[in-house]
Amino acid sequence: QKEVEQDPGPLSVPEGAIVSLNCTYSNSAFQYFMWYRQYSRKGPELLMYTYSSGNKEDGRFTAQVDKSSKYISLFIRDSQPSDSATYLCAMSLEVAGKSTFGDGTTLTVKP
Amino acid sequence: GAVVSQHPSWVICKSGTSVKIECRSLDFQATTMFWYRQFPKQSLMLMATSNEGSKATYEQGVEKDKFLINHASLTLSTLTVTSAHPEDSSFYICSAGTNEQFFGPGTRLTVL
Repeated sequence: QKEVEQDPGPLSVPEGAIVSLNCTYSNSAFQYFMWYRQYSRKGPELLMYTYSSGNKEDGRFTAQVDKSSKYISLFIRDSQPSDSATYLCAMSLEVAGKSTFGDGTTLTVKP
Repeated sequence: GAVVSQHPSWVICKSGTSVKIECRSLDFQATTMFWYRQFPKQSLMLMATSNEGSKATYEQGVEKDKFLINHASLTLSTLTVTSAHPEDSSFYICSAGTNEQFFGPGTRLTVL
């Protein structure tokens, strides 16, 4: 069993839809939870960074962490075609430490 | 935000040759850098932790004699793929940071 499992997708939604991306994990020691966006042939770009349980909002993006369930989510409101990319969840034991990644979910937002 | 660069962005080499990839932190000092490998349609897999002034720490299953890491300064780590073979063809990405990890743009290696 992988340490981090991510809903595989791919996801295809119409412009303006709300998108939900999810990951589960098995290591309860993870403290830092990240969501990255990756375009084809590019390095990952950090979207959201959360410490421990709770919610964090940044514009159209909301990250949720439920440590009791070992479950994290990323919500994208009013999705845009420019949001089309692969989204990766990642987790680490310490701040800026080595990360364990999910396999990624490819999202396509259709105009 | 902090910037991490990689060079080259892509490289094609013949089987059996060695390839060096550089990772630089441009506006901050990094005592630790991480090297990841990403195969097509797969996620990033951590290969090793590069430590400034000391030996790198390799993940299980990664051959340290094949993937040589040198972290000679606080802004530069290099990954050398020695005697590269076609199965080493992949996207190599480094990261560095203090409060959060910043990823480089990646280096695409193709071994013929």
